Amino acid sequence: EVELLESGGGIVQPGGSLRLSCAASGFTFTNYAMTWVRQAPGKGLEWVSVISATSGTTYYADSVKGRFTISRDNSKNTLYLQMNSLRAEDTARYFCANKVGGIHSSFDYWGRGTLVTVSS
Amino acid sequence: IIMTQSPASLSVSPGERATLSCRASQNIASNLAWYQQKPGQAPRLLIYGASTRATGFPARFSGSGSGTQFTLTISSLQSEDVAIYYCQHYNNWPYTFGQGTKLEIE
Repeated sequence: EVELLESGGGIVQPGGSLRLSCAASGFTFTNYAMTWVRQAPGKGLEWVSVISATSGTTYYADSVKGRFTISRDNSKNTLYLQMNSLRAEDTARYFCANKVGGIHSSFDYWGRGTLVTVSS
Repeated sequence: IIMTQSPASLSVSPGERATLSCRASQNIASNLAWYQQKPGQAPRLLIYGASTRATGFPARFSGSGSGTQFTLTISSLQSEDVAIYYCQHYNNWPYTFGQGTKLEIE
């Protein structure tokens, strides 16, 4: 059974940093791209970033480009999101998801998310 | 690419048909997914390739469309179908979601 477990969320002051993790199991992590999606309280879904299976390719939403860095450790079956220069508008639940299909494909399995609150 | 869903909310009687719409601002072929998000839960992939049902969803859920106009149909609404439904294109980065349709039981 596919399982994605996010962690690392919490309360941080504006301008601060946080590192999210997503531990994966139940599938061959090294074969698939992984992505982060966020959802502000009471709002819709916003794609944040994606990383290819081998870490050779990454993309970011304009809203986080230059501040967030996605990475993965295939030896640990873990995905990361380093978030710097955090702003109030980054407050959201952050979900990780895998992409089982090809280069352009849907987000197949999602974790339950971890909540990030940016507030002074 | 901007994804626009309609209506924003929909109330349907049990056993009746629910029709949700999604429009893309550009041609996305069949590179469209639908997700179901129940209260307090993570989104769950429902439909991909515009019309292929994901594992675990019953046949009352169906998707159709291509290009810029897409539809999600629930043929006979059940109480467990209460959720917010999001469409998403995956034609090219950045992938974008529609704003969601909140489906309720009448």
